[in-house]
Amino acid sequence: QVTLKESGPVLVKPTETLTLTCTVSGFSLSNARMGVSWIRQPPGKALEWLAHIFSNDEKSYSTSLKSRLTISKDTSKSQVVLTMTNMDPVDTATYYCARIVHYGYAVGFDYWGQGTLVTVSS
Amino acid sequence: AIQMTQSPSSLSASVGDRVTITCRASQGIRNDLGWYQQKPGKAPKLLIYAASSLQSGVPSRFSGSGSGTDFTLTISSLQPEDFATYYCLQDYNYPQVTFGGGTKVEIK
Repeated sequence: QVTLKESGPVLVKPTETLTLTCTVSGFSLSNARMGVSWIRQPPGKALEWLAHIFSNDEKSYSTSLKSRLTISKDTSKSQVVLTMTNMDPVDTATYYCARIVHYGYAVGFDYWGQGTLVTVSS
Repeated sequence: AIQMTQSPSSLSASVGDRVTITCRASQGIRNDLGWYQQKPGKAPKLLIYAASSLQSGVPSRFSGSGSGTDFTLTISSLQPEDFATYYCLQDYNYPQVTFGGGTKVEIK
């Protein structure tokens, strides 16, 4: 059974650094057909992709947020970690981690975590 | 960056109606497009990948079509459990993917 679960603070202050952890089970982070992304959704708004990490540890970031994001993984712990620096109230959102799987040449986010709401406020 | 524009942003429909949602890409993306359903307070769910391939376990009343810049999600006969927000997602630039703005399907 594949599961992903996000964990981290529910409240951060402006200018602080956010660290979120995605703990996965039912698959390995070293599986070449899979990767993990972080995606966020401000209240009442659309989804926004943030970052992705491949099985070979290659990383990719949203162009608009690249300077603030770092993604990493610990395969032995089945965890993917996202850090976002210099948090601002506009970063208030539900943060999801999601598994991406390759269907031949196509891809899809087939499993998602439940999401964790992070509020940025002093 | 590739922009994805969905229309309409919301619609009202009745159970049994045929519903069509469109998504337009700012440039050609072959058929590198997926559709996701999201219910309030829940994570999105994958419905369609590669523009027209139905994800395992998804009812056959959902179908997708299109290629290049214009795509469509169709629900052939709307069911009560289908009232939700739907998002398209381009993965042409994978992993730099982009979601559309969403279409909320409400009960008429």
